[in-house]
Amino acid sequence: QQQVKQSPQSLIVQKGGISIINCAYENTAFDYFPWYQQFPGKGPALLIAIRPDVSEKKEGRFTISFNKSAKQFSLHIMDSQPGDSATYFCAATKETGANNLFFGTGTRLTVIP
Amino acid sequence: NAGVMQNPRHLVRRRGQEARLRCSPMKGHSHVYWYRQLPEEGLKFMVYLQKENIIDESGMPKERFSAEFPKEGPSILRIQQVVRGDSAAYFCASSPETGAETQYFGPGTRLLVL
Repeated sequence: QQQVKQSPQSLIVQKGGISIINCAYENTAFDYFPWYQQFPGKGPALLIAIRPDVSEKKEGRFTISFNKSAKQFSLHIMDSQPGDSATYFCAATKETGANNLFFGTGTRLTVIP
Repeated sequence: NAGVMQNPRHLVRRRGQEARLRCSPMKGHSHVYWYRQLPEEGLKFMVYLQKENIIDESGMPKERFSAEFPKEGPSILRIQQVVRGDSAAYFCASSPETGAETQYFGPGTRLLVL
């Protein structure tokens, strides 16, 4: 059973455009929602994370939007650059007492010049 | 400060052989997590260890898979009698304390079973 559902599976965006990746979760006990960026041959690296006490978090060109009632959260990459081309994973967990992250299936982003 | 190290980076085994994957956590980290990533899928939790103890192995297959994190040395994920379905990328993460949100991932070991 996939605890976190992610879409789209792949995404192609023009340089300077906005990349949007969506995730949905079922477990209402989840209270920490990170996004990871993974380049080919590398491990996932934490990009940005949000807790459900806020509806939006912004770090540079990256923004997480969070909708608690809909149990959905999304990553927006503004002014997308070719260097952003990577696979992005959303994840969710319980902040206290949890041992593991539940990951989405990933979105392969390609930013074309 | 070196990050999480995993070796080998690539491992090829024939069906029935054993695979040993090693993970050295970041300096000062005493918690290790193993995840498996199948093609076109996200990472799936396998096991969580602290020094000399397995804390949670709920994601690990009951047979052929084992993990350890000895007092000295790296954490080892061992797969006995490998089958083609074991082909995947295996990632190790470490954290300085309990809490999934503080995990730092290694570069992974790509296992190919022929």
